[in-house]
Amino acid sequence: DGGITQSPKYLFRKEGQNVTLSCEQNLNHDAMYWYRQDPGQGLRLIYYSQIVNDFQKGDIAEGYSVSREKKESFPLTVTSAQKNPTAFYLCASSTRLAGGFYEQYFGPGTRLTVT
Amino acid sequence: GNSVTQMEGPVTLSEEAFLTINCTYTATGYPSLFWYVQYPGEGLQLLLKATKADDKGSNKGFEATYRKETTSFHLEKGSVQVSDSAVYFCALSRGNTPLVFGKGTRLSVIA
Repeated sequence: DGGITQSPKYLFRKEGQNVTLSCEQNLNHDAMYWYRQDPGQGLRLIYYSQIVNDFQKGDIAEGYSVSREKKESFPLTVTSAQKNPTAFYLCASSTRLAGGFYEQYFGPGTRLTVT
Repeated sequence: GNSVTQMEGPVTLSEEAFLTINCTYTATGYPSLFWYVQYPGEGLQLLLKATKADDKGSNKGFEATYRKETTSFHLEKGSVQVSDSAVYFCALSRGNTPLVFGKGTRLSVIA
């Protein structure tokens, strides 16, 4: 089954600790993305990567870091510098389809709670 | 820059009612347009898409038409079901750039 996996589904951490969220895809997609969603809010882009070993900051990159060492993996680290880390984190990937447009697919999300 | 504006929710409807969720966009050139649906506690699922003017995307009884003259991509369904209760997001993209999302509209359908 092809898809995007995020683990774990629920994650609990103490304030001041760094935490890494996993995102893996077996769709052979070049581009991957991380979004943050707060209750009742839309999605905000944290980081994205269009190719291995390269990534760009999104709208709210402060307090987060990423790496893209393999095509299928794009882990997100929430550092202690992130002031309000409790949120629902969504990973996505995209590929170019016939006709030249792109479709983005999402993983099931990780709900991070920091106390 | 590119942006998406969709109607604020929540929207509450009775089963079998007609649904419209408005979405308008601002973008240079010809973006691709999407509707995503998010069920409670889950990620987003692509519901339908349109890649050029006058295209109609459709899936599971939902439809939306890409109207360049009004820069709109309104989501419609003729008869909603309780199982359609979810949050709906309108989004656009230009090429391989990240999607730009609206803020989402929560739909509740009552039996």
